[in-house]
Amino acid sequence: AQSVTQPDIHITVSEGASLELRCNYSYGATPYLFWYVQSPGQGLQLLLKYFSGDTLVQGIKGFEAEFKRSQSSFNLRKPSVHWSDAAEYFCAVGARGSQGNLIFGKGTKLSVKP
Amino acid sequence: NAGVMQNPRHLVRRRGQEARLRCSPMKGHSHVYWYRQLPEEGLKFMVYLQKENIIDESGMPKERFSAEFPKEGPSILRIQQVVRGDSAAYFCASSPTGQGGDGYTFGSGTRLTVV
Repeated sequence: AQSVTQPDIHITVSEGASLELRCNYSYGATPYLFWYVQSPGQGLQLLLKYFSGDTLVQGIKGFEAEFKRSQSSFNLRKPSVHWSDAAEYFCAVGARGSQGNLIFGKGTKLSVKP
Repeated sequence: NAGVMQNPRHLVRRRGQEARLRCSPMKGHSHVYWYRQLPEEGLKFMVYLQKENIIDESGMPKERFSAEFPKEGPSILRIQQVVRGDSAAYFCASSPTGQGGDGYTFGSGTRLTVV
């Protein structure tokens, strides 16, 4: 069955420190891959997506993610975290040629220490 | 260009009442998806609609839940005879083509509380 795993429920980092949020997926083929961010009480905003080509994807707000086929991973990174990055982050996969519904992980909540 | 509009933002219903959640997709988007987010959980797919058609309702509970996307007007998610377990955030998303690689645009959600 298709699934997305975000192993870290909650991560706390200091402002200015680097960040890596993990995402592993289980899928029959290479899916489309997404990272979304959700601030409290808000909807989800797309940070970045991977379709094909270069496995290092740049997104908004200084985020990037790297697709590693051998590890079935799509980890999100940021070199220097800002206090405004505190939010919940969701990894999602979509099937190529599918009807478009996405499968989401359970999310990782990021807290930022001053 | 307005984004995906959902209303109401918050909805309180007593057990047994009906809840109606509305979603207007982005201009030019004819594919609408509804997701439910329970506390401490990720989003779970419920239903995928195009204008006047339900394409995939594999995530919808078999009873009390229905969805429509009429030719004119917003998409509606209806929950009849609500129970406490229906309390959740319901998100609508839209995309231009319905392909898995679109990456949706999400609305801000409707937070349903059943008392």
